[in-house]
Amino acid sequence: RKEVEQDPGPFNVPEGATVAFNCTYSNSASQSFFWYRQDCRKEPKLLMSVYSSGNEDGRFTAQLNRASQYISLLIRDSKLSDSATYLCVVNVRDGNQFYFGTGTSLTVIP
Amino acid sequence: GAGVSQSPRYKVAKRGQDVALRCDPISGHVSLFWYQQALGQGPEFLTYFQNEAQLDKSGLPSDRFFAERPEGSVSTLKIQRTQQEDSAVYLCAERRLGANVLTFGAGSRLTVL
Repeated sequence: RKEVEQDPGPFNVPEGATVAFNCTYSNSASQSFFWYRQDCRKEPKLLMSVYSSGNEDGRFTAQLNRASQYISLLIRDSKLSDSATYLCVVNVRDGNQFYFGTGTSLTVIP
Repeated sequence: GAGVSQSPRYKVAKRGQDVALRCDPISGHVSLFWYQQALGQGPEFLTYFQNEAQLDKSGLPSDRFFAERPEGSVSTLKIQRTQQEDSAVYLCAERRLGANVLTFGAGSRLTVL
């Protein structure tokens, strides 16, 4: 079983829509959680960290459910520029074990 | 510097050829990671260095893969006798001292014919 599982999509949504991605992780010792964004043929870049109480950054909201071992990302008012692959990342222990999901592909359509 | 620098950006190798991929992190950063990303997949962990010490190489897929960081700065990932299944993007990432976030280089795209 993979450490991190994501629905690969693709998600095709119209501009202005709200879209949510979920991710599950298998190791209960996981300590830190992140969402990364990866544009086509580019490197992954940190979108936001995910905190236990949930956190928001503009149109993006991340939530963590430790009991169920899942992480979510909500994007409101989708923009064309949000089209990318969103990678769920889990850090297990000691800061040196970062596991990536396969990524969820999002295309925002005009 | 502008961040993690990787070279070459693109490499085409014939099956059986050896390749070397270079990663040059921002100076002063302690931890360096190598990941392999196949098409349509997320990055898969290969190996991790703290300074010059290779603390985890559990992700290296075979003994054809070798990584080093002799002076605790620049790192090289070497792949011997390349096979077609080695075709992927090889990403280098750094973790800044005191932070728990990975910052990636642009990657080296290897195609083995």
